[in-house]
Amino acid sequence: KNEVEQSPQNLTAQEGEFITINCSYSVGISALHWLQQHPGGGIVSLFMLSSGKKKHGRLIATINIQEKHSSLHITASHPRDSAVYICAVRADRGSTLGRLYFGRGTQLTVWP
Amino acid sequence: NAGVTQTPKFQVLKTGQSMTLQCAQDMNHEYMSWYRQDPGMGLRLIHYSVGAGITDQGEVPNGYNVSRSTTEDFPLRLLSAAPSQTSVYFCASYSPGRPEYGYTFGSGTRLTVV
Repeated sequence: KNEVEQSPQNLTAQEGEFITINCSYSVGISALHWLQQHPGGGIVSLFMLSSGKKKHGRLIATINIQEKHSSLHITASHPRDSAVYICAVRADRGSTLGRLYFGRGTQLTVWP
Repeated sequence: NAGVTQTPKFQVLKTGQSMTLQCAQDMNHEYMSWYRQDPGMGLRLIHYSVGAGITDQGEVPNGYNVSRSTTEDFPLRLLSAAPSQTSVYFCASYSPGRPEYGYTFGSGTRLTVV
């Protein structure tokens, strides 16, 4: 069983649509990261969350620590948002302190 | 520019050859780690280090060696390459003392073993 589950695995949207990607995790964490990877590209950190909500431009990330769940929202989606979005959690205890556990990613395609 | 530098970006190896993937960071991060990314599998931890002279195994360490003689460098060695090691490799660094800056990833090394 994967410690981090993301849904959906694939997502197709029309330009302008509101997008939501979900992430659930099963380990104790000190922080959750949302990452973005464009085709053939490197990995960029979008957000790091330990509580509440963060916003950057059209991207919003929320986390509910009690429910062990996070969401990444994209408002007014654009074709340049097409990428793989990865949820990763940082373990908070014991021998795994600081270790990242990754979801398998959500492939987002936004059509014009 | 501050960040994580990985070399080479692309590499083709023959089965049985050995090579070293280089990773260097100039942010004085204590934590460094190596991941491989395979289709449908997500990122998997190979080896990690919490400081100079300290390394440990991750989920998929077999066939790989690491060392951390300095804070800046964390090379990954493939001892005898196998086709199963065809993958994209990412190095990342992180500072627990400055968690607000999150993880920084290198640009990746695409390795093909034939």
